[in-house]
Amino acid sequence: GEDVEQSLFLSVREGDSSVINCTYTDSSSTYLYWYKQEPGAGLQLLTYIFSNMDMKQDQRLTVLLNKKDKHLSLRIADTQTGDSAIYFCAESRPDSSYKLIFGSGTRLLVRP
Amino acid sequence: NAGVTQTPKFQVLKTGQSMTLQCAQDMNHEYMSWYRQDPGMGLRLIHYSVGAGITDQGEVPNGYNVSRSTTEDFPLRLLSAAPSQTSVYFCASRGDRNNSPLHFGNGTRLTVT
Repeated sequence: GEDVEQSLFLSVREGDSSVINCTYTDSSSTYLYWYKQEPGAGLQLLTYIFSNMDMKQDQRLTVLLNKKDKHLSLRIADTQTGDSAIYFCAESRPDSSYKLIFGSGTRLLVRP
Repeated sequence: NAGVTQTPKFQVLKTGQSMTLQCAQDMNHEYMSWYRQDPGMGLRLIHYSVGAGITDQGEVPNGYNVSRSTTEDFPLRLLSAAPSQTSVYFCASRGDRNNSPLHFGNGTRLTVT
């Protein structure tokens, strides 16, 4: 995961917005993903964005992509305690059979 | 629809022992992969397969072998376990389209003493 970087921890109050940031290095990456991992479980796909888009919205989730800076963010509106989890960003490498390279994950803690 | 099934969920091994982590998917996915998850390091790709009979190395393949004799199964073998292989292992599969998301199993927590 060294080519995809995320901050390790974020704490927000319930009802506030959360913004989780990610930077990647491979400019040829075509798809960028956000996954959520709850304790003791595997990773669950939240959303993904194609590299020719700069924004995607899906209910409380907004993904922003700045391809020039290779920066990806996930905004969660009206954050709930059930959103507490680890969030991973991942990039798809077209030169490697589209395998996914993951960041180290951001642990989101939502305080009541 | 079971998705991706991993067994066992937990395993303790002694250094030098061997074992196989099982992974099966019932979605007819061509692509399957194994990751290990360690604190602060995210998920690192061990091996992957783009179809039956084809396997390739990921970022951290040393100490692990895989085979893909069928589309459904992708076992991961540890021939001689080492404490450095203590980790949580995830199997994942996806469909053929380039934007197909990875579907993950629930993981195998392995401890090597």
